[in-house]
Amino acid sequence: NAGVTQTPKFQVLKTGQSMTLQCAQDMNHEYMSWYRQDPGMGLRLIHYSVGAGITDQGEVPNGYNVSRSTTEDFPLRLLSAAPSQTSVYFCASRFRGKGTGELFFGEGSRLTVL
Amino acid sequence: RKEVEQDPGPFNVPEGATVAFNCTYSNSASQSFFWYRQDCRKEPKLLMSVYSSGNEDGRFTAQLNRASQYISLLIRDSKLSDSATYLCVVTLLSGGSYIPTFGRGTSLIVHP
Repeated sequence: NAGVTQTPKFQVLKTGQSMTLQCAQDMNHEYMSWYRQDPGMGLRLIHYSVGAGITDQGEVPNGYNVSRSTTEDFPLRLLSAAPSQTSVYFCASRFRGKGTGELFFGEGSRLTVL
Repeated sequence: RKEVEQDPGPFNVPEGATVAFNCTYSNSASQSFFWYRQDCRKEPKLLMSVYSSGNEDGRFTAQLNRASQYISLLIRDSKLSDSATYLCVVTLLSGGSYIPTFGRGTSLIVHP
């Protein structure tokens, strides 16, 4: 049972570099999302998707891009990394349904931008 | 003002104690309510959903008060293993989708 798989688990970048955080789920969930978690700030929604070809912005979308070409994958792209993007990133998915479904999380990706 | 507010704690209690956490939300149109548990440096995991009638799962009881816009979590007979951060989650309908919004979490430390 793979569930939600995130890669890489750890990454160090220099300011200005770009990278993609990968997220894949094998539960046929329509809804997928990316959160960042910073000390004392809780989980903040970056972007979300309710199905292939559909994405929308969350609370803190600036500096991040997403796409959803398949149901399974929802990559998060940092186009030009900044130290303010140092954080732990979580991908989460669930059935779209009526919002009563459980969110399943990946194990997180810890990103440091120097 | 954040949409979902929690006391960050930490709540420091002895084993066997009863402890209660509250969470308030600002949007009266919120649809679904949950408590998640997050262990240090791990991903959040669902602890329990919260229903209007209140619900119980072993030592854990969750309550929802829609009129006052708060939810609560009661833990009885605390165990060392209950030490974690407890996240309040409220789901709001936005653009046809239900979007979960997290509180900042309440830290619980259970000591011997």
